[in-house]
Amino acid sequence: AQSVTQLDSQVPVFEEAPVELRCNYSSSVSVYLFWYVQYPNQGLQLLLKYLSGSTLVESINGFEAEFNKSQTSFHLRKPSVHISDTAEYFCAVTARLSGSARQLTFGSGTQLTVLP
Amino acid sequence: DTGVSQDPRHKITKRGQNVTFRCDPISEHNRLYWYRQTLGQGPEFLTYFQNEAQLEKSRLLSDRFSAERPKGSFSTLEIQRTEQGDSAMYLCASSRSGTWNTGELFFGEGSRLTVL
Repeated sequence: AQSVTQLDSQVPVFEEAPVELRCNYSSSVSVYLFWYVQYPNQGLQLLLKYLSGSTLVESINGFEAEFNKSQTSFHLRKPSVHISDTAEYFCAVTARLSGSARQLTFGSGTQLTVLP
Repeated sequence: DTGVSQDPRHKITKRGQNVTFRCDPISEHNRLYWYRQTLGQGPEFLTYFQNEAQLEKSRLLSDRFSAERPKGSFSTLEIQRTEQGDSAMYLCASSRSGTWNTGELFFGEGSRLTVL
């Protein structure tokens, strides 16, 4: 079984400042890692994912996350946030299984609030 | 719109009543998932289908919960004799299966249940 810990439930940050949302996972097998974002009154949307290869992955809106196997972490970063980044961010993990993967295990979420 | 759709978006019911939620997945996706999300928590897995077969159920899914996916298309989640603790957002997601499935899920906007 897998588990995900998001250490910060709320992160307030001023516009144009950098931000890091922390995510640690636990698993006895190799995993795929994801960050999902949930904007107010909207469904969860995939932000970025780590499957294999380069440990640094990027989204189209400037977020990046780095897979660190030794620290079992997948922290999300953005060098300069915008008001529109205000949302709840969920880290998620699924086991790499022979064939295809199945359910995702989510962390409890981090509410990012960008202040003007 | 070719995304995952859920109906109703909001349901208020009295304790003891039965409720049913419907999910229409993305048409070419043969996997369908139900998750539950309570306030301040990440989504928790309930059950999933591959085509019409229900392949896995969480221990969170008590005997009062039943899910179906007739003909492998839309799915319904029924809760019988609702309790106040059932109040939550019920999320549906879909994905493809196959060796190239990476566990990425596409979520609907959810059905919010309030039990009075």
